[in-house]
Amino acid sequence: DIVMTQSPDSLAVSVGERATINCKSSQSVFYSSNNRNYLSWYQQKPGQPPKLLIFWASTRESGVPDRFSGSGSGTDFTLTISSLQAEDVAVYYCQQFYSTLYTFGQGTKLEIK
Amino acid sequence: EVLLVESGGGLVKPGGSLRLLCVASGFSFSNYSLSWVRQAPGKGLEWVSSINGRSDYIYYADSVKGRFTISRDNAKNSLDLQMNSLRAEDTAVYYCARITVAGLRSWGQGTLVTVSS
Repeated sequence: DIVMTQSPDSLAVSVGERATINCKSSQSVFYSSNNRNYLSWYQQKPGQPPKLLIFWASTRESGVPDRFSGSGSGTDFTLTISSLQAEDVAVYYCQQFYSTLYTFGQGTKLEIK
Repeated sequence: EVLLVESGGGLVKPGGSLRLLCVASGFSFSNYSLSWVRQAPGKGLEWVSSINGRSDYIYYADSVKGRFTISRDNAKNSLDLQMNSLRAEDTAVYYCARITVAGLRSWGQGTLVTVSS
């Protein structure tokens, strides 16, 4: 199975500042046949199901604010929130769907400093 | 609007069985693969199982293989998860989710399964 490891486990950032979350996969999730990384990012707020934010490592889902961005390729990926807002407090997960046995990272809890 | 509604959760004793149901609407059901994902209390997300539109490709996490069975009824727009030989560590909120080329794009609100004596 592909193991997804996020860092840090938790993060406190001031409103208006940048937040960066990293995700590393145990093997590449890049498909050379279509030049896509099969890596998604999700946001989960308390009591709610997860919400898809970013797919193919860097494509923002419709309706997601442009302060959210994704980058990386192969095995190393980053989710960046350029200017943190209070409503961004949540747990963030990366997930690979390169393998048919989908796996998630352990999650990163983002709080306001 | 895509809607996924799970039901069937509840309290069950260790070694018992439970069947979860997810009813979908708002999209062409048979054209999409679907997944079950679970979340133990206070813990992260764990992918459980996936099934394609024709039910000819089915996958399970190692933690549930041999105990859980995923199935779907395209005529009823429904997805099932039959859970047998339940253990305390199966206690979780179980979500059904629609798989797209972007990943898990749509999620239900979840149903809570508690395994306890």
